[in-house]
Amino acid sequence: KNEVEQSPQNLTAQEGEFITINCSYSVGISALHWLQQHPGGGIVSLFMLSSGKKKHGRLIATINIQEKHSSLHITASHPRDSAVYICAVGSGSQGNLIFGKGTKLSVKP
Amino acid sequence: EAGVVQSPRYKIIEKKQPVAFWCNPISGHNTLYWYLQNLGQGPELLIRYENEEAVDDSQLPKDRFSAERLKGVDSTLKIQPAELGDSAVYLCASSSRPGGELFFGEGSRLTVL
Repeated sequence: KNEVEQSPQNLTAQEGEFITINCSYSVGISALHWLQQHPGGGIVSLFMLSSGKKKHGRLIATINIQEKHSSLHITASHPRDSAVYICAVGSGSQGNLIFGKGTKLSVKP
Repeated sequence: EAGVVQSPRYKIIEKKQPVAFWCNPISGHNTLYWYLQNLGQGPELLIRYENEEAVDDSQLPKDRFSAERLKGVDSTLKIQPAELGDSAVYLCASSSRPGGELFFGEGSRLTVL
């Protein structure tokens, strides 16, 4: 079993829909990262959080430390949100990251 | 401010040939990572540097892979000789501190024929 599991693996949505991507982990963590990767592009850090909730524009990230679970929400989705969203957890004293396999999101106009 | 710069973006070589990738991190970032990413997978750590010291290279296949960060700034990752299974994207990332927010380069896509 992977230490970081994301669901769903693939997600297709219509423009304007509310989107949720989930991440569950099995290790103790220092922080959880949500990352975005566009096709052929590099990876961009969206959020780094260790508790509670963070919001940036239409993106919201939440984490429940007790349940070892995080969610990334996208409100009013847009085709430009189409990308792979990767959850990664920092574990250990040096915070080495353990990555999930990513969720491929496609938003149709 | 310039982000993490990697080169080349794309490289096609025949198996058994050598290849090298270069990374220049964000200025002032002491922590530098090299990751390997296969299609449909998340990045996998190859090596992490704190300044010029390789503090975690446990996942680096040392028989064919080598890396250096001589002055604690830019870094080079080398594969010699390359094998078919090395075809992947090689990502460089930097951070201001261990476990801090990561900043990634665009990656170097390697195809081994």
